[in-house]
Amino acid sequence: TQLLEQSPQFLSIQEGENLTVYCNSSSVFSSLQWYRQEPGEGPVLLVTVVTGGEVKKLKRLTFQFGDARKDSSLHITAAQPGDTGLYLCAGTDNYGQNFVFGPGTRLSVLP
Amino acid sequence: NAGVTQTPKFQVLKTGQSMTLQCAQDMNHEYMSWYRQDPGMGLRLIHYSVGAGITDQGEVPNGYNVSRSTTEDFPLRLLSAAPSQTSVYFCASSYSNGVETQYFGPGTRLLVL
Repeated sequence: TQLLEQSPQFLSIQEGENLTVYCNSSSVFSSLQWYRQEPGEGPVLLVTVVTGGEVKKLKRLTFQFGDARKDSSLHITAAQPGDTGLYLCAGTDNYGQNFVFGPGTRLSVLP
Repeated sequence: NAGVTQTPKFQVLKTGQSMTLQCAQDMNHEYMSWYRQDPGMGLRLIHYSVGAGITDQGEVPNGYNVSRSTTEDFPLRLLSAAPSQTSVYFCASSYSNGVETQYFGPGTRLLVL
């Protein structure tokens, strides 16, 4: 079974600070996705990375897929209260059939 | 488009009762799936379907049944509810499996007493 770990589990920062959250595994994934989930709602896709070493930027969010496709990071620059939420990473399994989700990082950005 | 809809939003059951969680999508997606979300455990796949008439088990299928008679609908049935099935259930759909974007419904919060 492929497993994904995320760190930190919780993060509380002040508006304007930078932060990085991590998604790690001992397994190789063919692709990896990052989602944000707000209370009472379903997850919403932020980005998909498919190539080892790939870097994608989405405004103040920068996503990186590790060279070995076993890990990924999400960096947020100048965090805002609207960034508050649960950040989930999900990897496509070996057969490209289904997703394995990490437990998530719960981010709170205080004004 | 309504996207992915789920009913009910909340449900309380007694141990041993059965119920069906409804999921529908209007995006003509072939791939649909059911997840449960528990604190500290992320989302775990219960069952999935790659098209009408085709279903398969995910990571935690025990105690749940699914069927897919149409492209639009993918109901999840709890046969005999247990307290361990207390969770938030999400339905998702996408054009296909793999790297396609999954669209999630708003979830059903289930409490089994």
